[in-house]
Amino acid sequence: KNEVEQSPQNLTAQEGEFITINCSYSVGISALHWLQQHPGGGIVSLFMLSSGKKKHGRLIATINIQEKHSSLHITASHPRDSAVYICASGNFGNEKLTFGTGTRLTIIP
Amino acid sequence: DTGVSQDPRHKITKRGQNVTFRCDPISEHNRLYWYRQTLGQGPEFLTYFQNEAQLEKSRLLSDRFSAERPKGSFSTLEIQRTEQGDSAMYLCASSLGRGRTDTQYFGPGTRLTVL
Repeated sequence: KNEVEQSPQNLTAQEGEFITINCSYSVGISALHWLQQHPGGGIVSLFMLSSGKKKHGRLIATINIQEKHSSLHITASHPRDSAVYICASGNFGNEKLTFGTGTRLTIIP
Repeated sequence: DTGVSQDPRHKITKRGQNVTFRCDPISEHNRLYWYRQTLGQGPEFLTYFQNEAQLEKSRLLSDRFSAERPKGSFSTLEIQRTEQGDSAMYLCASSLGRGRTDTQYFGPGTRLTVL
Protein backbone atom coordinates (compact mmCIF):
# COMPACT_ATOMS: atom_id res chain seq x y z
CA LYS A 1 0.00 0.00 0.00
CA ASN A 2 1.36 3.38 -0.99
CA GLU A 3 1.66 5.96 1.73
CA VAL A 4 2.31 9.64 1.14
CA GLU A 5 3.77 11.80 3.86
CA GLN A 6 4.25 15.55 3.87
CA SER A 7 6.20 17.90 6.05
CA PRO A 8 5.77 20.26 7.67
CA GLN A 9 2.06 20.08 8.52
CA ASN A 10 1.95 23.81 9.19
CA LEU A 11 4.28 26.54 8.02
CA THR A 12 4.17 30.24 8.78
CA ALA A 13 6.62 32.59 7.09
CA GLN A 14 7.17 36.25 6.39
CA GLU A 15 6.42 37.69 2.98
CA GLY A 16 9.40 37.27 0.69
CA GLU A 17 10.80 34.14 2.31
CA PHE A 18 11.77 31.04 0.33
CA ILE A 19 9.39 28.19 1.12
CA THR A 20 10.03 24.45 0.90
CA ILE A 21 7.45 21.72 1.40
CA ASN A 22 8.53 18.10 1.33
CA CYS A 23 6.75 14.93 0.24
CA SER A 24 7.79 11.29 0.41
CA TYR A 25 6.03 8.22 -0.88
CA SER A 26 6.57 4.53 -0.30
CA VAL A 27 6.09 2.69 -3.60
CA GLY A 28 6.70 3.29 -7.29
CA ILE A 29 4.32 5.75 -8.87
CA SER A 30 3.37 6.95 -12.33
CA ALA A 31 3.62 10.64 -11.39
CA LEU A 32 3.71 12.95 -8.40
CA HIS A 33 1.12 15.71 -8.26
CA TRP A 34 1.26 18.96 -6.33
CA LEU A 35 -2.09 20.58 -5.64
CA GLN A 36 -3.25 23.78 -3.99
CA GLN A 37 -6.41 24.00 -1.92
CA HIS A 38 -7.91 27.30 -0.79
CA PRO A 39 -10.45 27.76 2.02
CA GLY A 40 -13.81 26.59 0.73
CA GLY A 41 -12.35 23.46 -0.78
CA GLY A 42 -11.43 24.17 -4.39
CA ILE A 43 -8.40 22.17 -5.51
CA VAL A 44 -6.12 23.34 -8.31
CA SER A 45 -3.45 21.20 -9.90
CA LEU A 46 -0.06 22.95 -9.80
CA PHE A 47 2.32 20.33 -11.15
CA MET A 48 2.44 16.78 -12.35
CA LEU A 49 5.93 15.35 -12.66
CA SER A 50 7.55 11.97 -13.07
CA SER A 51 11.18 13.08 -13.19
CA GLY A 52 13.43 16.07 -12.77
CA LYS A 53 12.10 19.53 -12.16
CA LYS A 54 9.29 21.82 -13.31
CA LYS A 55 8.89 25.56 -12.87
CA HIS A 56 5.86 27.80 -13.17
CA GLY A 57 6.28 31.41 -12.15
CA ARG A 58 7.52 31.47 -8.56
CA LEU A 59 6.76 27.79 -8.01
CA ILE A 60 9.28 25.01 -8.54
CA ALA A 61 8.69 21.29 -8.08
CA THR A 62 11.39 18.63 -8.02
CA ILE A 63 11.31 14.88 -7.74
CA ASN A 64 13.94 12.24 -6.94
CA ILE A 65 12.60 8.89 -8.11
CA GLN A 66 15.35 6.84 -6.45
CA GLU A 67 14.71 8.43 -3.05
CA LYS A 68 10.91 8.58 -3.56
CA HIS A 69 10.92 12.21 -2.55
CA SER A 70 9.57 15.44 -3.98
CA SER A 71 9.76 19.07 -2.94
CA LEU A 72 7.68 22.13 -3.73
CA HIS A 73 9.46 25.47 -3.50
CA ILE A 74 7.97 28.95 -3.53
CA THR A 75 10.30 31.87 -4.16
CA ALA A 76 9.53 35.41 -2.99
CA SER A 77 6.47 34.20 -1.08
CA HIS A 78 3.41 36.45 -0.97
CA PRO A 79 0.32 36.47 1.28
CA ARG A 80 -1.78 35.26 -1.67
CA ASP A 81 0.27 32.02 -1.58
CA SER A 82 -1.43 31.19 1.73
CA ALA A 83 -3.28 27.92 1.18
CA VAL A 84 -3.02 24.21 1.83
CA TYR A 85 -0.55 22.46 -0.44
CA ILE A 86 -1.12 18.77 -1.02
CA CYS A 87 1.08 16.22 -2.72
CA ALA A 88 -0.45 13.12 -4.24
CA SER A 89 0.97 10.06 -5.94
CA GLY A 90 -0.56 8.66 -9.10
CA ASN A 91 -1.11 4.92 -9.31
CA PHE A 92 0.07 3.07 -12.43
CA GLY A 93 -2.84 2.18 -14.68
CA ASN A 94 -5.89 3.80 -13.14
CA GLU A 95 -4.06 6.96 -12.06
CA LYS A 96 -6.09 7.22 -8.87
CA LEU A 97 -4.41 9.60 -6.47
CA THR A 98 -3.16 8.84 -2.98
CA PHE A 99 -2.95 12.11 -1.08
CA GLY A 100 -0.80 13.41 1.70
CA THR A 101 -2.50 15.24 4.56
CA GLY A 102 -1.42 18.64 3.28
CA THR A 103 0.75 21.51 4.46
CA ARG A 104 -1.04 24.61 5.64
CA LEU A 105 1.03 27.61 4.54
CA THR A 106 0.47 31.07 5.96
CA ILE A 107 2.45 34.02 4.61
CA ILE A 108 2.43 37.07 6.85
CA PRO A 109 2.75 40.50 5.21
CA ASP B 1 -15.80 24.87 -21.26
CA THR B 2 -15.88 26.07 -17.68
CA GLY B 3 -14.29 23.11 -15.95
CA VAL B 4 -15.66 20.45 -13.62
CA SER B 5 -18.90 21.39 -11.89
CA GLN B 6 -20.62 19.81 -8.93
CA ASP B 7 -24.11 20.19 -7.59
CA PRO B 8 -25.14 20.98 -4.93
CA ARG B 9 -22.27 22.86 -3.32
CA HIS B 10 -23.66 22.27 0.14
CA LYS B 11 -26.10 19.72 1.49
CA ILE B 12 -27.44 19.45 5.02
CA THR B 13 -29.48 16.38 5.78
CA LYS B 14 -30.79 14.41 8.71
CA ARG B 15 -29.36 11.04 9.61
CA GLY B 16 -31.10 8.26 7.73
CA GLN B 17 -31.99 10.33 4.67
CA ASN B 18 -30.73 9.61 1.16
CA VAL B 19 -28.68 12.17 -0.75
CA THR B 20 -27.48 12.36 -4.33
CA PHE B 21 -24.65 14.48 -5.73
CA ARG B 22 -23.95 15.27 -9.33
CA CYS B 23 -20.66 15.87 -11.13
CA ASP B 24 -20.28 17.23 -14.65
CA PRO B 25 -16.74 16.62 -15.92
CA ILE B 26 -14.89 18.54 -18.58
CA SER B 27 -16.31 17.44 -21.91
CA GLU B 28 -14.31 14.74 -23.67
CA HIS B 29 -12.67 13.69 -20.42
CA ASN B 30 -12.93 9.93 -20.28
CA ARG B 31 -11.99 9.41 -16.65
CA LEU B 32 -13.99 10.59 -13.70
CA TYR B 33 -12.96 10.15 -10.06
CA TRP B 34 -14.79 10.60 -6.78
CA TYR B 35 -12.82 11.45 -3.63
CA ARG B 36 -13.89 12.22 -0.07
CA GLN B 37 -12.16 14.67 2.24
CA THR B 38 -12.78 14.99 5.96
CA LEU B 39 -11.71 17.98 7.99
CA GLY B 40 -7.95 18.34 8.31
CA GLN B 41 -7.19 15.37 6.09
CA GLY B 42 -6.17 14.89 2.50
CA PRO B 43 -8.77 13.52 0.09
CA GLU B 44 -9.29 9.75 -0.16
CA PHE B 45 -10.15 7.80 -3.29
CA LEU B 46 -13.69 6.43 -3.50
CA THR B 47 -14.23 5.23 -7.06
CA TYR B 48 -13.47 5.97 -10.69
CA PHE B 49 -15.00 5.56 -14.12
CA GLN B 50 -13.46 5.06 -17.53
CA ASN B 51 -16.24 6.32 -19.75
CA GLU B 52 -19.41 4.65 -18.39
CA ALA B 53 -17.62 1.71 -16.75
CA GLN B 54 -17.00 1.84 -13.02
CA LEU B 55 -13.59 0.16 -12.83
CA GLU B 56 -12.65 0.37 -9.16
CA LYS B 57 -14.30 1.02 -5.82
CA SER B 58 -12.51 1.71 -2.57
CA ARG B 59 -13.30 -0.32 0.53
CA LEU B 60 -14.36 3.05 1.96
CA LEU B 61 -17.40 2.80 -0.30
CA SER B 62 -19.85 0.76 1.75
CA ASP B 63 -22.97 -0.76 0.24
CA ARG B 64 -24.83 2.44 1.17
CA PHE B 65 -22.87 4.24 -1.52
CA SER B 66 -23.52 3.89 -5.22
CA ALA B 67 -22.11 5.78 -8.17
CA GLU B 68 -23.13 5.86 -11.79
CA ARG B 69 -21.95 7.48 -14.98
CA PRO B 70 -24.62 6.84 -17.60
CA LYS B 71 -23.49 7.42 -21.17
CA GLY B 72 -20.02 8.31 -19.92
CA SER B 73 -20.89 11.94 -19.28
CA PHE B 74 -22.05 13.25 -15.90
CA SER B 75 -21.84 11.11 -12.78
CA THR B 76 -23.96 10.77 -9.67
CA LEU B 77 -22.97 9.62 -6.22
CA GLU B 78 -25.80 8.47 -3.97
CA ILE B 79 -25.56 7.81 -0.25
CA GLN B 80 -28.44 5.90 1.28
CA ARG B 81 -29.37 6.00 4.97
CA THR B 82 -26.81 8.69 5.72
CA GLU B 83 -24.80 8.54 8.93
CA GLN B 84 -23.00 11.32 10.78
CA GLY B 85 -19.70 9.77 9.73
CA ASP B 86 -20.61 10.52 6.11
CA SER B 87 -20.17 14.24 6.77
CA ALA B 88 -17.33 15.32 4.50
CA MET B 89 -16.44 17.17 1.32
CA TYR B 90 -17.12 15.03 -1.73
CA LEU B 91 -14.82 15.92 -4.61
CA CYS B 92 -15.08 14.99 -8.24
CA ALA B 93 -12.21 15.14 -10.71
CA SER B 94 -11.87 14.34 -14.37
CA SER B 95 -9.00 13.67 -16.75
CA LEU B 96 -8.48 12.80 -20.38
CA GLY B 97 -7.60 9.22 -19.43
CA ARG B 98 -6.37 8.11 -22.83
CA GLY B 99 -3.77 5.64 -21.69
CA ARG B 100 -1.31 8.14 -20.25
CA THR B 101 -0.68 10.03 -17.07
CA ASP B 102 -2.95 13.05 -17.05
CA THR B 103 -3.64 16.05 -14.90
CA GLN B 104 -6.81 15.68 -12.88
CA TYR B 105 -9.12 18.68 -12.81
CA PHE B 106 -11.16 19.04 -9.67
CA GLY B 107 -14.63 20.39 -9.13
CA PRO B 108 -15.48 22.73 -6.24
CA GLY B 109 -16.82 19.86 -4.15
CA THR B 110 -20.08 19.15 -2.36
CA ARG B 111 -19.94 19.65 1.39
CA LEU B 112 -22.26 17.22 3.14
CA THR B 113 -23.36 17.73 6.73
CA VAL B 114 -25.37 14.96 8.36
CA LEU B 115 -27.19 16.04 11.51
